[in-house]
Amino acid sequence: QQPVQSPQAVILREGEDAVINCSSSKALYSVHWYRQKHGEAPVFLMILLKGGEQKGHEKISASFNEKKQQSSLYLTASQLSYSGTYFCGATRDAGNMLTFGGGTRLMVKP
Amino acid sequence: NAGVTQTPKFRVLKTGQSMTLLCAQDMNHEYMYWYRQDPGMGLRLIHYSVGEGTTAKGEVPDGYNVSRLKKQNFLLGLESAAPSQTSVYFCASSYLGRREQFFGPGTRLTVL
Repeated sequence: QQPVQSPQAVILREGEDAVINCSSSKALYSVHWYRQKHGEAPVFLMILLKGGEQKGHEKISASFNEKKQQSSLYLTASQLSYSGTYFCGATRDAGNMLTFGGGTRLMVKP
Repeated sequence: NAGVTQTPKFRVLKTGQSMTLLCAQDMNHEYMYWYRQDPGMGLRLIHYSVGEGTTAKGEVPDGYNVSRLKKQNFLLGLESAAPSQTSVYFCASSYLGRREQFFGPGTRLTVL
C-alpha cells in the first residue's frame, strides 16, 4: 500500500515556506524524499530512519514521526529552483522495496 | 563517471512485439531497480536485484522479466507488449537497499 502525500499541489511565491506530508497506515522503517523536475529523473534529497530523526539540507529539512507513521518535508524561503514534484518513498522493514507516494507538485513563482 | 544510463531513450512498439531495455551503472552498486511511472503518478517498482544473478518481484511485475547477468547491467524485458505498458521506465541503483537511489534518465515507451 503506497504512502499518501498531501497536498497534491501547492503554489508559492519566492521566499514563502511549504510543508509536504507523507503518511502511511502501516508501520514504517524509513522514508526517502526525492524531487523530480519535468521530463527528468528523480533526484535524491534525504533519508530518514525510524527513531523520529530530523534532517536538513540547506533550506530543506524533514522529520519522521514514528508514532504517527508520518514524515514531513519542510521547504523554507523557497527558491524558483525548488519547483518540481516531490515524492516520498517508504520502506516497511530493512529490506529493499521502496513504495512511493503519488507526489506533490510544487510551483514557485517570482 | 556516467552514473546510471538507460538504452534506448524512446521506443514505439506494436501490441504483441517484444523488446529489452538496458540499464547500466558504473558506481559498483549492488542493488538495481526497475520502476515505471505513468502520467501524473508516482513510481511503481517492477522488479529489483540485490546482486549479480539475483532478481525479485516488486509491486507490478506481471508482463515483465528481468536479468542481472553482470553486476553493472540490469535488463528489463517485455515479451508481448500491451498498450497498458505505455509508460516511462526508470532504472535506479543503490549501494545498499537502505541507501539513496540514483536514477537513470528514463525510457519513454509507447505501445500502439
